[in-house]
Parts: sequence; C-alpha cells; structure tokens
Amino acid sequence: NAGVTQTPKFQVLKTGQSMTLQCAQDMNHNSMYWYRQDPGMGLRLIYYSASEGTTDKGEVPNGYNVSRLNKREFSLRLESAAPSQTSVYFCASSERTEGEQFFGPGTRLTVL
Amino acid sequence: AQSVAQPEDQVNVAEGNPLTVKCTYSVSGNPYLFWYVQYPNRGLQFLLKYITGDNLVKGSYGFEAEFNKSQTSFHLKKPSALVSDSALYFCAVRALGRGYNKLIFGAGTRLAVHP
Repeated sequence: NAGVTQTPKFQVLKTGQSMTLQCAQDMNHNSMYWYRQDPGMGLRLIYYSASEGTTDKGEVPNGYNVSRLNKREFSLRLESAAPSQTSVYFCASSERTEGEQFFGPGTRLTVL
Repeated sequence: AQSVAQPEDQVNVAEGNPLTVKCTYSVSGNPYLFWYVQYPNRGLQFLLKYITGDNLVKGSYGFEAEFNKSQTSFHLKKPSALVSDSALYFCAVRALGRGYNKLIFGAGTRLAVHP
C-alpha cells in the first residue's frame, strides 16, 4: 500500500517549456488535490477533483491544467512554465472533500 | 473571510518540556480542524482532527489539540517534547466553498526542540 505517489521528484525547466506532474493513489479515495508550497505561504490549492470525472479550480489555478484520468490518477500540467511557478508541488487525496487528506512526497520544480 | 492564523513562525522548546503550537481560525458554520506535520523534504502527515465531541483531541506521536470555540482556537500540545518532534506544523480548517468543502492551511510554524 504505497499511499499517494508523485513523479518526478525533481524537475528543472526553462521558461516556456511544458510538463506534466503525475499523481496516483491506491486508497480508493474519491477526492484528489494539487497544492503548491512556497516559503511563508503554507499550501495553496491549485485544482481539485471532488470525484472521478469532475475537476474545479482552487485558489491559484492560472497557468495550470489538470486531468482526472481515472479514480486513481490526477495529473497537473504546466503548458508554458514561468519562473513564478518555481515551487514544491504536492498531490493529496481524501475519501471525501471534508475528510483528512493524505499527501504525496512532493515534486520540487525549478523554472529558469 | 475564512482563514487560519498561526501567529508564531517558530517555536523553540527544550527537550522534555511541554510544547504548544498556536492556531486560530475564522470560518462559516461548524469548524472541522486539522493538524499536519511536515518533516524536511517530505509531504504533510496527518496528526489529528476535530469535528465534534470532546474539545481535547488526541492524535499521533503523543500530540493532542484543544478546541476552544469561544476563542476560535485549536492549539497543538504535547506534554513532553522530543528532539524528533522538530518539524514544520500546519493547522488547517475546512472551509465552505462554491458547493464544495476545501481545506485552508495556515502558513506553518517551525518547531525546534533543543536537547
């Protein structure tokens, strides 16, 4: 039982490049989330998926897109990376949107 | 506005002493409150939650938290700190959104336990 897994662990991009961050959970959770963590700002919600087949914007969705591929997988795409997107990205899942969330190990992204 | 405040950026405590990490909140409706811990280069780990019932909630690793409705606080406590408790601690509250529930996180408090 791996919980929440994320790939890659580290990534360096040049401005304008695109990439997709992958997330998978094996806990049969309905809800999944993408956060970014920046120093002194806690975690900010980018996008979430309350259940399979639905996605919605969080606090800071600009510059990102998501896909809930199936119940297990929720990917985050940066179409044209910008230095302001340098951050640590966390995926999380929960059984319901009001329940405790379980987090992946994170992806450290640097955009030059 | 719905929000969470962790008024201390850092808390320093000697090993063996009691520790408190403070959290206050502002939400509509009944609060669901959570504490998470983050060790270096790791994701957040769930410690405990308050939804209803006893105001004192017990969680993982000997931590507990006290819900105080009148003071809108949910402080994290431990009777005897360990050096291994040194980490970043986040308070979170369920907030009612546009037809959904989401968690709002505080900015985090770094706990440093000295031998």
